[in-house]
Amino acid sequence: GQQLNRSPQSMFIQEGEDVSMNCTSSSIFNTWLWYKQDPGEGPVLLIALYKAGELTSNGRLTAQFGITRKDSFLNISASIPSDVGIYFCAGPNSGGSNYKLTFGKGTLLTVNP
Amino acid sequence: GAVVSQHPSWVICKSGTSVKIECRSLDFQATTMFWYRQFPKQSLMLMATSNEGSKATYEQGVEKDKFLINHASLTLSTLTVTSAHPEDSSFYICSATKLAGGLDEQFFGPGTRLTVL
Repeated sequence: GQQLNRSPQSMFIQEGEDVSMNCTSSSIFNTWLWYKQDPGEGPVLLIALYKAGELTSNGRLTAQFGITRKDSFLNISASIPSDVGIYFCAGPNSGGSNYKLTFGKGTLLTVNP
Repeated sequence: GAVVSQHPSWVICKSGTSVKIECRSLDFQATTMFWYRQFPKQSLMLMATSNEGSKATYEQGVEKDKFLINHASLTLSTLTVTSAHPEDSSFYICSATKLAGGLDEQFFGPGTRLTVL
C-alpha cells in the first residue's frame, strides 16, 4: 500500500521562528492534504493541494504540491504558541466520492514562548 | 459549516464489556463516514468505511465481528467495540464526507478516548 514518510519527527522552536516540514510518498498522489491535530482532538484540515506544483497559502501557512506528485511541504511563518500540535500530511488512496485517506506519521511541533 | 460530533468523548469500561461510540454530522448529510484508530504518538489508521444503508468495508487486519459498524442514517454512524480488552484502548476518531464545490472533503470528529481496564 501507499506509504507516507514525514520529516522531521518532531521540532522544538522559539516563538516567532519559521518552521518547515515535508512528506514524501512511495507513489503518486493526486491530492495532498495537511492537517493539524491538537491534543485530544480530531484533525483539522489546514490546506488542500490538488495540482502538481501548486503553492497555496492559508494565513501564516504555506504548502506546496511537489512537481513529481510524490512530495509536499508545509511552512509555518512567525510561529506562535497556539501552533503547537501534530501536523499530518495525508492523501487519498483512490479517486471518487468515497476516497480513503492515508496519513503520514505526523510531525510534533512545540513552540516555546 | 461542517461539524462532526462524537459521543462519548471518553469512556472507561471493564474488560469483556461492549462499548458503543456515536458519530454524527450535525449540519450536513454525509455520504460516507470513516472510522479511524489512533494509538499514542501514532498516526491515524483507517479501520473501516461506512456507507448509509450498506455493510461497512473493513481494512485488512480489522475484525468486523469485533468492531461492529452501523450506519443507520446519513447523519449517524456507530462503532461498537465488542468484548473489549485492554489492547483495544485507543483514541477512536470518525470522519464524515461532505461534497464541497465538486470535491469531497472529510470532516473529523473530536475523537473518543476508550480505556479498557
